[in-house]
Order: sequence, then structure tokens, then C-alpha cells
Amino acid sequence: QVQLVQSGAEVKKPGFSVKVSCKTSGYTFFGYYMHWVRQAPGQGLEWMGWIDPNSGATDYAQEFQGRVTMTRDTSLSTAFMELSRLRSDDTAVYYCARDEGLGELKFLMDVWGQGTRVTVSS
Amino acid sequence: SYVLTQPPSVSVAPGKTARITCGGNNIGGKSVHWYQKKPGQAPLLVIYSDSDRPSGIPERFSGSNSGNTATLTISRVEAGDEADYYCQVWDSGRDRHVVFGGGTKVTVL
Repeated sequence: QVQLVQSGAEVKKPGFSVKVSCKTSGYTFFGYYMHWVRQAPGQGLEWMGWIDPNSGATDYAQEFQGRVTMTRDTSLSTAFMELSRLRSDDTAVYYCARDEGLGELKFLMDVWGQGTRVTVSS
Repeated sequence: SYVLTQPPSVSVAPGKTARITCGGNNIGGKSVHWYQKKPGQAPLLVIYSDSDRPSGIPERFSGSNSGNTATLTISRVEAGDEADYYCQVWDSGRDRHVVFGGGTKVTVL
């Protein structure tokens, strides 16, 4: 079955970076775009951007441009999200989520990872 | 940028019907998706493209979209439906990005 398994919880100091991984299985990694979404404590869902695992093309939400980098390792069928210059308000659970479209972006997230808790604290 | 407005909370008795609205400018011209989010769990897609249900989602969940309001309806509400619900669209404007509503907490009385 389709699965997205994310890396474990992280604790980082302000100003540092965090890199979260999302290992996929059960489907053709190249065929589906991957989104990243986060949820801060007590807050709603916030979209961060997407990556095309086939080409490596990315698009980021304006709020994160300059701080976020989404990459992939096709040999591992794994997507990565790195957030730099961390602040306390980056404390959140970060999710990867597969786009439902095969070979195209539908902006519809049909399968989600279990989430990675990132805590930013001095 | 495009804004989606949801009521913060909806309360409903077991067996009754819950209706969760999602307001946006001419949202009827967009494709709306709905996610269920329970504490400690990943979001779950419950309605896509306004009114379609993914496999495994009970028929009690339905959706509609017209004018400036999309609606998620949960019929015959059960205790297990208690969760936060988020609407989501793709903003085809200048930013061309994903937009989530603020979320609605459904409480089963």
C-alpha cells in the first residue's frame, strides 16, 4: 500500500536549520508531486510548497521563500524539506503529502506522512 | 491572496447533521477539498472536488459548492467524527498556491 514515512522528531536552536525526510513506498515516486504542510500548536494547516520528484522543480509559498528548500533523492524514493534560520514560531508538526495527480499537479493531497514534530527552542 | 473563512466551531448531537461552511470569493468556481484532522494524526482527505468521496470514507460525508460558499455535511454524526475539518483550494491568482481555511472544530455533544 502507499506509504509516506517521515523522519523522527527534532529539537533545534533558533538560527539553525532542520531537514525532514519523507520516504515513500507502494507507488511510483516519479509520478506524483509532493507537498509539504505544517501545523503549529493550536493553529491550522499551512501549505509550504511542492516538489516534482521527476524534475526536481519546486514552488514555495511566499512566506517561506528564501528559507525553505525541497529536494529529493530518486534512488531512495525520498523527499526532503529543509527549513533554515529557524525561529521559535517554526515550532510545528511538518507533514509531507502526495499530490493525487499522476504526472500533473492537482493540488489535492491524498496520502499523508505521519508528521514530524520540530521544536525550536534555545 | 485568496482567503477561505470557516466558523471556528460547530457542535452537534449524535445522530444529527453537522454542516461546516467554507466561504470564499466565488468559491463556486473552484474545486474544494476537505480534510479531517484529529489530534496526533495526519490529515485525512474526506471530500475532494467539491463532492466526491475517496474510497473508505462513509457516505455520511458529503459536500457541495456554489456561489461564495462550500459546505461539508456530516449526516448521522458519530462520536468518532469529532475532529477539526479544513477546506482547501488552489488559488489560481497571482500566487498560484494552495490555500487552507482556518479550520472548524466539530464537537459531538
